[in-house]
Amino acid sequence: DAKTTQPNSMESNEEEPVHLPCNHSTISGTDYIHWYRQLPSQGPEYVIHGLTSNVNNRMASLAIAEDRKSSTLILHRATLRDAAVYYCTFNNAGNMLTFGGGTRLMVKP
Amino acid sequence: EAGVVQSPRYKIIEKKQPVAFWCNPISGHNTLYWYLQNLGQGPELLIRYENEEAVDDSQLPKDRFSAERLKGVDSTLKIQPAELGDSAVYLCASSLDRQRNPTFGQGTRLTVV
Repeated sequence: DAKTTQPNSMESNEEEPVHLPCNHSTISGTDYIHWYRQLPSQGPEYVIHGLTSNVNNRMASLAIAEDRKSSTLILHRATLRDAAVYYCTFNNAGNMLTFGGGTRLMVKP
Repeated sequence: EAGVVQSPRYKIIEKKQPVAFWCNPISGHNTLYWYLQNLGQGPELLIRYENEEAVDDSQLPKDRFSAERLKGVDSTLKIQPAELGDSAVYLCASSLDRQRNPTFGQGTRLTVV
């Protein structure tokens, strides 16, 4: 199984940056790293993905370590609407996403 | 564009009763997934379809769970008979093909009493 390790929970202040870490030491060279988030009572929502280089989109940035065994999702200015569970995952051999427990992000006003 | 539509949103049944969930994927999406999500945990894959073919159902408990996607479009997931431990959220997701990121529906929350 594709295995990731994330902190169970993190807290942030509104309008401050948030760095959500993930370890994925068993990742292979061709596996993409994906981040999803899940708001309360919703299905998971795609955030960002990458292979080797750092990636930016309108939602977040993804910083990938040089050895690819870890990555960090960066929310540049957290808002109350960013409070969610954030899942880091990567494709296993069958190209299917396997989710771990995720990090519950709490944002304080 | 309409997203992945699931119904019902909520379902409460007594144990040993049957239950079915319905999923309408995004138009044109060939790959369809059913996931199970227990409280406080991440989603776990139950089955994946490529068009109408179930290509990975290794995690589906086949003694009581069944799924179908007859015309390669919408899909149903059935549990018969339901057990207390089946209480969870059942998520459907779809993608253009298995290489693309799936889009998830809102899920069906099942409570078995």
